[in-house]
Amino acid sequence: GAGVSQSPSNKVTEKGKDVELRCDPISGHTALYWYRQSLGQGLEFLIYFQGNSAPDKSGLPSDRFSAERTGGSVSTLTIQRTQQEDSAVYLCASARDGTNSPLHFGNGTRLTVT
Amino acid sequence: GENVEQHPSTLSVQEGDSAVIKCTYSDSASNYFPWYKQELGKRPQLIIDIRSNVGEKKDQRIAVTLNKTAKHFSLHITETQPEDSAVYFCAASWSYIPTFGRGTSLIVHP
Repeated sequence: GAGVSQSPSNKVTEKGKDVELRCDPISGHTALYWYRQSLGQGLEFLIYFQGNSAPDKSGLPSDRFSAERTGGSVSTLTIQRTQQEDSAVYLCASARDGTNSPLHFGNGTRLTVT
Repeated sequence: GENVEQHPSTLSVQEGDSAVIKCTYSDSASNYFPWYKQELGKRPQLIIDIRSNVGEKKDQRIAVTLNKTAKHFSLHITETQPEDSAVYFCAASWSYIPTFGRGTSLIVHP
């Protein structure tokens, strides 16, 4: 079946602009995660959605970052007033449920802030 | 929160040799330990995982061991092949949010 789909695959934006990154999880997966991967770094947790529960936003680095998940499916990560340090690959992953199921990652969105 | 340390950051081996990557974690409540492989330019993919009620798990050439007392777990790859070259990430989880190590770049020379 279809895997996790992310768009766009690449995004170049000017400092100060807002960007929206989209994630379409695997159908039926109730858990959805956003991670950030900077060059040479690990996977930094940003936000977690599980079903209809309130999201865990504990990993968001600043109030410029926000995310929503509509109808328990598609998720959008929004970064307002982008800064150069926001440049990274943003990875979305979904999992069958919230019981330590394996994560299925998308191909990521490479964000470059100039 | 959970903290995962991963070593080494880079590992270079000859084809046919074994490779070992080690991780330590801080939160004794962690009970799920997956390993992901990320080939260049591709998405991370799960290769093996282990839960806290098991000390060792093997799948063909890869194996993972877990020592809960010492809070460390390791990935073992035997008879390495060039296609094993990738970045490997360990992770630890108790709250359904995996915390990842910084990754190990494995290079297998033919």
